[in-house]
Amino acid sequence: RKEVEQDPGPFNVPEGATVAFNCTYSNSASQSFFWYRQDCRKEPKLLMSVYSSGNEDGRFTAQLNRASQYISLLIRDSKLSDSATYLCVVNRRGSNYQLIWGAGTKLIIKP
Amino acid sequence: NAGVTQTPKFRVLKTGQSMTLLCAQDMNHEYMYWYRQDPGMGLRLIHYSVGEGTTAKGEVPDGYNVSRLKKQNFLLGLESAAPSQTSVYFCASRRTGGDYNEQFFGPGTRLTVL
Repeated sequence: RKEVEQDPGPFNVPEGATVAFNCTYSNSASQSFFWYRQDCRKEPKLLMSVYSSGNEDGRFTAQLNRASQYISLLIRDSKLSDSATYLCVVNRRGSNYQLIWGAGTKLIIKP
Repeated sequence: NAGVTQTPKFRVLKTGQSMTLLCAQDMNHEYMYWYRQDPGMGLRLIHYSVGEGTTAKGEVPDGYNVSRLKKQNFLLGLESAAPSQTSVYFCASRRTGGDYNEQFFGPGTRLTVL
């Protein structure tokens, strides 16, 4: 079993719709959680950290469910520019500076 | 600030050749990382460094060596390239302290080994 698992997609979503995807992780001791965004043939960039109580940044909402060991990302009022691959990231067991990366969920927003 | 830069951007090697990838950051970050990214897989950590003069192995270190002689530079070496090392290589850096510190990435090096 992969340590961080994501649905690879692609999720094809019309512009303006709401889309959500989850990521599961296997290490119950993980403390740090992130969503990164990666555009085609570009480097990953931090979208948002995920806090225990959940957090929101504009149209993006991230949630953490420790009991079920998953994090989620919700995008409201999706834009064409949201088309990208979204990478789920958690810290490696016993380390606060080594990260484990999911393979990503590809999102395509259609006009 | 240039952030994190990588050279070269593209390279084609023949099996058995050697090369060095250079990563440089101007953010005075202590931690630096080398990852590889292959289709259908997450980023995998090759080697990392928590400060000048220190390096450590990640999850896929075989076939690679690194050096961090200066705080701002992190070099990744392939002594005898193999086709299995065809990949996109990303360098990243982050500052110390805290659990939620962002890793900043360079633009990547696309390496093909024939």
